[in-house]
Amino acid sequence: DTGVSQNPRHKITKRGQNVTFRCDPISEHNRLYWYRQTLGQGPEFLTYFQNEAQLEKSRLLSDRFSAERPKGSFSTLEIQRTEQGDSAMYLCASSLALTYGYTFGSGTRLTVV
Amino acid sequence: AQTVTQSQPEMSVQEAETVTLSCTYDTSESDYYLFWYKQPPSRQMILVIRQEAYKQQNATENRFSVNFQKAAKSFSLKISDSQLGDAAMYFCAYRSAGAGNMLTFGGGTRLMVKP
Repeated sequence: DTGVSQNPRHKITKRGQNVTFRCDPISEHNRLYWYRQTLGQGPEFLTYFQNEAQLEKSRLLSDRFSAERPKGSFSTLEIQRTEQGDSAMYLCASSLALTYGYTFGSGTRLTVV
Repeated sequence: AQTVTQSQPEMSVQEAETVTLSCTYDTSESDYYLFWYKQPPSRQMILVIRQEAYKQQNATENRFSVNFQKAAKSFSLKISDSQLGDAAMYFCAYRSAGAGNMLTFGGGTRLMVKP
């Protein structure tokens, strides 16, 4: 197991386009999280899955954002009609239980031009 | 809602010396977890150390230790015998033990290690 994998590592898109990111968590981890991190700031929570169920969503997750985790395995985060303010690092993490910290992926850096 | 504050945007330490990074948090809960994460430049975030609020004993992991003061809502990280590889952003984070699973992060402290 190579840890949490995120693809792509970098994405440059034009304003108004849709983008989709993928996260493959550690296989035995049933919890999966998406965070957004802007330059020089701490990560901000976006959404959380336990198995295939999306249990929590932040108010940061506007209706242009949607996340899925089919079959409780990998997850995708889609941003529709991207805006320049969406430019950030999107981090995925997974965990096995509440008592443990997360294992983070390397992130997908999105630049909207 | 919980908040986490790291009041030191940047810190520097001489190689082999000791440095302490500060973190305070605000919560009305009695049971929770606290974490320190390290994020090297352009690399993924790594868990450094964690502390359960119900434990009075401060956590230690090799050169890393914490000073957990529950009443003061303070959770500082001490790095002993600093190494060049310790240079990174350090984030303090809070996680409720009850409903809600998200980590709430502080704004981070950039640690520079001077040779």
